[in-house]
Amino acid sequence: QVTLKESGPVLVKPTETLTLTCTVSGFSLSNVRMGVSWIRQPPGKALEWLAHIFSNDEKSYNTSLKTRLTISKDTSKSQVVVTMTNMDPVDTATYYCARIMAYSSSQFDPWGQGTLVTVSS
Amino acid sequence: IQMTQSPPSLSASVGDRVTISCRASQSISNYLNWYQQKPGKAPKLLIYAASSLQSGVPSRFTGSGSGTDFTLTISSLQPEDFATYYCQQSYSTQLTFGGGTKVDIK
Repeated sequence: QVTLKESGPVLVKPTETLTLTCTVSGFSLSNVRMGVSWIRQPPGKALEWLAHIFSNDEKSYNTSLKTRLTISKDTSKSQVVVTMTNMDPVDTATYYCARIMAYSSSQFDPWGQGTLVTVSS
Repeated sequence: IQMTQSPPSLSASVGDRVTISCRASQSISNYLNWYQQKPGKAPKLLIYAASSLQSGVPSRFTGSGSGTDFTLTISSLQPEDFATYYCQQSYSTQLTFGGGTKVDIK
């Protein structure tokens, strides 16, 4: 069974850096057909893709957030980490990680349960 | 690539046939996926590559279209189908979602 679980702070202050970890099970981060993405959803709003990383360490970022995002992986720990700098209240959202299929339609399946991050002083 | 869903919301009854549209700002071939999201839950993949049904998803869900216009159809709406539906394009390396269509009870 493939599962993903997000972990990290529930509250960050403006200007701080957010670090979130996605721990996966049921598949390997060295699998060439799969990667891990981060996606967020502000309360009551639509989904926004942030970044993804594949087994060969190929990375892709949302261009509107690229200067603030860094994604990395630790295959031995089955973890993918994303950092977002200079957090602002508008970054308040539920942050999800999801497996992304590389040689198909780049669909996200499955998703983690999500973690709500609030940005407030 | 901008993804526009219509309508933003709709009210329907159990047993109704429901159609949700998704339009891309440029041709995306069949690089289009559909997700269902229930309140407080993570999205769930329904359809990938425009028309391929994800394993375990009921056959009342069908996807169609190519190029710029796509449709998700629920042939006979069931109580568990009341949710918000999102389309997502993967033609561009900049992956984008539609704004969502909320399906609620009439």
